[in-house]
Amino acid sequence: GDSVTQMEGPVTLSEEAFLTINCTYTATGYPSLFWYVQYPGEGLQLLLKATKADDKGSNKGFEATYRKETTSFHLEKGSVQVSDSAVYFCALSVSPNAGGTSYGKLTFGQGTILTVHP
Amino acid sequence: DAGITQSPRHKVTETGTPVTLRCHQTENHRYMYWYRQDPGHGLRLIHYSYGVKDTDKGEVSDGYSVSRSKTEDFLLTLESATSSQTSVYFCAITREVMNTEAFFGQGTRLTVV
Repeated sequence: GDSVTQMEGPVTLSEEAFLTINCTYTATGYPSLFWYVQYPGEGLQLLLKATKADDKGSNKGFEATYRKETTSFHLEKGSVQVSDSAVYFCALSVSPNAGGTSYGKLTFGQGTILTVHP
Repeated sequence: DAGITQSPRHKVTETGTPVTLRCHQTENHRYMYWYRQDPGHGLRLIHYSYGVKDTDKGEVSDGYSVSRSKTEDFLLTLESATSSQTSVYFCAITREVMNTEAFFGQGTRLTVV
């Protein structure tokens, strides 16, 4: 079946440090890849996405590139801020064939807690 | 804001009692989902709906049922709550289904004692 594996957490960094959160996946069809972020007490919100191989998603200084050859979608940010402290989830949605529908169903990784200290 | 409201936001219930959680959306989107969030598991899909009266099972559907009698409401029912169903439950919608983002509600924290 489809699955997502994220690096073990939690991750603790100082402000302005470089961030990488690893994400790898297995998929039986045509995956689209997402990073969601959850701030304390809130629901998830989309951070960025990539829908085909070699696409790069970016938002708020975060980036991730869809690497089909390594089945990876690692999240990076060059300089983190205290306000980036949150839980980050890698997720995928798989269509059974090109142009088919996944019905929007998402498979999530276990989440990585990021804490950034001043 | 995708106009998603979950109710209740918090609930404590006893083992063996039925519980219904409600998800209400204001934008008439066709696709709605229920996920549960547990430490170490991320979010897992319980059930989803692709239209009024059209629902299907997700990864962890045992012990749960859903109903969607009108576009704006998607109900999740625990027929007989167990302690293993203590979790945070999130409702989500998508505006399309092709490679698009999901919008999540604020969540319902359910504790089964």
